[in-house]
Amino acid sequence: DAGVTQSPTHLIKTRGQQVTLRCSPKSGHDTVSWYQQALGQGPQFIFQYYEEEERQRGNFPDRFSGHQFPNYSSELNVNALLLGDSALYLCASSSRLQGVWTEAFFGQGTRLTVV
Amino acid sequence: DAKTTQPPSMDCAEGRAANLPCNHSTISGNEYVYWYRQIHSQGPQYIIHGLKNNETNEMASLIITEDRKSSTLILPHATLRDTAVYYCIVRVGGGTSYGKLTFGQGTILTVHP
Repeated sequence: DAGVTQSPTHLIKTRGQQVTLRCSPKSGHDTVSWYQQALGQGPQFIFQYYEEEERQRGNFPDRFSGHQFPNYSSELNVNALLLGDSALYLCASSSRLQGVWTEAFFGQGTRLTVV
Repeated sequence: DAKTTQPPSMDCAEGRAANLPCNHSTISGNEYVYWYRQIHSQGPQYIIHGLKNNETNEMASLIITEDRKSSTLILPHATLRDTAVYYCIVRVGGGTSYGKLTFGQGTILTVHP
């Protein structure tokens, strides 16, 4: 089992550009969440996808959008990049077993640097 | 989700038990206590979780007080590789939360030789 895989591992973009990050969930998981972790801070919840729909959203602007595909993989898109978007972006997957959400498994993250 | 309070940092000698406390005085009856850790520049790693009973797995033990307002994560024989940021999180088990995790600042555990 490959666990949660994210790509790319590192990325450098220029202010104003757009970026797409990708995530494949752990086998058997159908729910994908995205988190942003700034340097020295805990991860902050961006949004969550289940059955190809955004189910919950954290306090992030509309520049942050996502998608979930039928195979449960997911993309995070960020438009009009700002310097403050530089962070580690983490993907986590989980599923529901007998009505209770399983523990979330995280990928290694994508380090995004905006210059 | 309930807010948690953890000490910002702790030290532990290698081979000794590391006891990491967490306060969650506003926890609701349907909220679980989860512990994750994050080793530098890696994704968070699940350690253990519990609802009201004490739990043990191959990594750690979780002790939850009877009133559920606090808990302690115990690493029985800490090694240098246990140096990490440890996050205590309370999370609703089911319903429409979809398993969202709310991270605080965590506890930086440093294990010394």
